[in-house]
Amino acid sequence: AQKVTQAQTEISVVEKEDVTLDCVYETRDTTYYLFWYKQPPSGELVFLIRRNSFDEQNEISGRYSWNFQKSTSSFNFTITASQVVDSAVYFCALSSYTGANSKLTFGKGITLSVRP
Amino acid sequence: EAQVTQNPRYLITVTGKKLTVTCSQNMNHEYMSWYRQDPGLGLRQIYYSMNVEVTDKGDVPEGYKVSRKEKRNFPLILESPSPNQTSLYFCASSFGTGTNSPLHFGNGTRLTVT
Repeated sequence: AQKVTQAQTEISVVEKEDVTLDCVYETRDTTYYLFWYKQPPSGELVFLIRRNSFDEQNEISGRYSWNFQKSTSSFNFTITASQVVDSAVYFCALSSYTGANSKLTFGKGITLSVRP
Repeated sequence: EAQVTQNPRYLITVTGKKLTVTCSQNMNHEYMSWYRQDPGLGLRQIYYSMNVEVTDKGDVPEGYKVSRKEKRNFPLILESPSPNQTSLYFCASSFGTGTNSPLHFGNGTRLTVT
């Protein structure tokens, strides 16, 4: 069975602080994909990144960076110099290559509040 | 603009009154799926469809029905809604049935069953 654990439920930071959102996953599959989605207060789900299990390179996109470590089954997300607009719920998700169902197994989400 | 459109955005209904939440995508995606989001539980898959006339259950299918008569549409049907189906619902689609392409989500439908 697949599982995604986001142990942090709520994080509050002051603007310009760096913040790391943790994600730990469990799967028996050798091929899988990891995702991060952002859900702002308006409610929609915004895709941020997809990473496959064979690509352990870290990725940086502007103020966002992701650290994928297979050895610890973690896919952590760091926001550098946080801004108020980063306030949202962030979901980490896992999908295995079943070839049939693109089901995502989601973590419970982390609510990030960035105070001015 | 490529998008997944759900309607309605908000819906309040009473127990037992049949309802349908519509979902349409304009990206010619083969794969479509429904999720529900509940506090403390994240998102859970209700049903999915790999193509026209091909649907299957997700993790929490009880109390729901779906149909896929056309590629672009994937309605979610609650024949007899109950209060425990009060939730935020998301429709999603992707190009393939594997995991190569990310799911594109609609804006959500907030359903309240009293």
